[in-house]
Amino acid sequence: SQTIHQWPATLVQPVGSPLSLECTVEGTSNPNLYWYRQAAGRGLQLLFYSVGIGQISSEVPQNLSASRPQDRQFILSSKKLLLSDSGFYLCARGNTGTPGGTDTQYFGPGTRLTVL
Amino acid sequence: QKEVEQNSGPLSVPEGAIASLNCTYSDRGSQSFFWYRQYSGKSPELIMSIYSNGDKEDGRFTAQLNKASQYVSLLIRDSQPSDSATYLCAVRVTGGGNKLTFGTGTQLKVEL
Repeated sequence: SQTIHQWPATLVQPVGSPLSLECTVEGTSNPNLYWYRQAAGRGLQLLFYSVGIGQISSEVPQNLSASRPQDRQFILSSKKLLLSDSGFYLCARGNTGTPGGTDTQYFGPGTRLTVL
Repeated sequence: QKEVEQNSGPLSVPEGAIASLNCTYSDRGSQSFFWYRQYSGKSPELIMSIYSNGDKEDGRFTAQLNKASQYVSLLIRDSQPSDSATYLCAVRVTGGGNKLTFGTGTQLKVEL
């Protein structure tokens, strides 16, 4: 089976501190990977997606960045957190090698981030 | 105009009834549509996908797609208290590659 791991599960960070959230996928090779944020009372916002190692597409300009150092590892980072970065961060995986417009996305358990 | 719209609810239905959840989208060229269920504090889980006009059934769930009217709906038959959750509609818009656009979700409450 294909499993998505995210850690940490919850995180409380002060404003201005750095951030690193990790997502790893088991049971598949070369998956499409996605980072979403869900702010309180709002819909899911796509932040980044990756179709392979070192390939990152950014959807929303902000103080976050993403990296994919290994095939099944996707990292979300920030150098300095803002209050507005609070939210539920979700990693999702798609299928392997699917052409554009045919992927189905499955979500990991998420990381709940509170910035104080 | 929002790209994907859902009534936020809450939609309350009695146990055993049919729950009907609706979603409209603005991009007429959209081809792929998904319904996710999200329990409070948890991540979304995929219920169904639908790509063609008409109905698609899976157990107690039926997805309905009408591309001419630009809406997709989810019917839940024999609603159970365990169905109480927020239901998210997601659409793959034209030219968006594999990216999904999500609605803000409809909260469903199934009452005993």
